[in-house]
Amino acid sequence: NAGVTQTPKFRILKIGQSMTLQCAQDMNHNYMYWYRQDPGMGLKLIYYSVGAGITDKGEVPNGYNVSRSTTEDFPLRLELAAPSQTSVYFCASRDRGTGKDIQYFGAGTRLSVL
Amino acid sequence: GEDVEQSLFLSVREGDSSVINCTYTDSSSTYLYWYKQEPGAGLQLLTYIFSNMDMKQDQRLTVLLNKKDKHLSLRIADTQTGDSAIYFCAETGNNRKLIWGLGTSLAVNP
Repeated sequence: NAGVTQTPKFRILKIGQSMTLQCAQDMNHNYMYWYRQDPGMGLKLIYYSVGAGITDKGEVPNGYNVSRSTTEDFPLRLELAAPSQTSVYFCASRDRGTGKDIQYFGAGTRLSVL
Repeated sequence: GEDVEQSLFLSVREGDSSVINCTYTDSSSTYLYWYKQEPGAGLQLLTYIFSNMDMKQDQRLTVLLNKKDKHLSLRIADTQTGDSAIYFCAETGNNRKLIWGLGTSLAVNP
């Protein structure tokens, strides 16, 4: 029962470094999402994807990039990390079955940019 | 625009009922959700309600939906210390993206 798996769980970056946050789901969901959660705040949508090869911007896409080459994987790339990107990042996939519309979340990646 | 509002804090005694409230603005929402986030963890779906329902019960959880007032509530009966967490209300907004509240931090005191 893997569900949505995010790696790494924790990471510290220096300003200007780059990294990729990995997200994989084994539920064959077409829709996937990346959110960030700042302390004491709700979730803000960074990017989302409605299927392999299709991505779109959310509320706060600046400083990030995504790709979706397979249904299972939806990596989030940070280029030139900045302190403002210190946050907890959550990946989610969405089940749009009959009579339901549910997002399932990974455990999160806690990122500090110093 | 679309917005979801929740009170930020709630404190209850163990064994009492907790009621967490949420208001939303998008009258076209199809589903409304309650998610739970324990410290240092991800978000766990607690329950959700379809917009044509006005109540849903699931063990200790009762969800009430008042579409006229755009008000959603989550009642937790016999609240336990393990229920201490942040509870997020969310609705399906335009383009089926979820619109999130800021979360209500529930503290359960022994």
